[in-house]
Amino acid sequence: NAGVTQTPKFQVLKTGQSMTLQCAQDMNHEYMSWYRQDPGMGLRLIHYSVGAGITDQGEVPNGYNVSRSTTEDFPLRLLSAAPSQTSVYFCASSYGQTTGELFFGEGSRLTVL
Amino acid sequence: GQQVMQIPQYQHVQEGEDFTTYCNSSTTLSNIQWYKQRPGGHPVFLIQLVKSGEVKKQKRLTFQFGEAKKNSSLHITATQTTDVGTYFCAGPANFGNEKLTFGTGTRLTIIP
Repeated sequence: NAGVTQTPKFQVLKTGQSMTLQCAQDMNHEYMSWYRQDPGMGLRLIHYSVGAGITDQGEVPNGYNVSRSTTEDFPLRLLSAAPSQTSVYFCASSYGQTTGELFFGEGSRLTVL
Repeated sequence: GQQVMQIPQYQHVQEGEDFTTYCNSSTTLSNIQWYKQRPGGHPVFLIQLVKSGEVKKQKRLTFQFGEAKKNSSLHITATQTTDVGTYFCAGPANFGNEKLTFGTGTRLTIIP
């Protein structure tokens, strides 16, 4: 039972490049979400999904796209990377949207030059 | 929109001293969750409180949910070096199907 798996763990991009952060969970959770963590700002919600085929925006969605074609996978796409997107990104999943334990992946540290 | 604030932002304590972090929401919460993140790690769920005035204990950790369900606290008795990390509270607004909002966190460091 792997839990929530994120790849890659580290990535360096140049401004304007695009990339996809992968997230997969094997717990059959309906709810999945992406957060970014910046110093002094806690965890801010980027996008979330309450089930396959359903996604919605969080607090800071600009510059990011998501899709949820299966229950297991929830990739985060950076369309045209900017230095302001330098951050640590966490994928998380749970049975419910606002109740119950959120299981986090180990994080992806992204640097945009 | 909903805001969840935590104080203090940083806390340095001598090993063996007690530690408390406070969480305050601008809106009533249907529940409050607490997470711990070790340096370089990912947030790990500690507990969820649901009822007004609820108090729960986990060994040296005591969690409280305020009567008005707008604030919460985490108290650690006799801190140990293993308590080092950042503690986050998180809660949804009390009108259902609302996104989980995380507090800004309190970073605890222990002086041996």
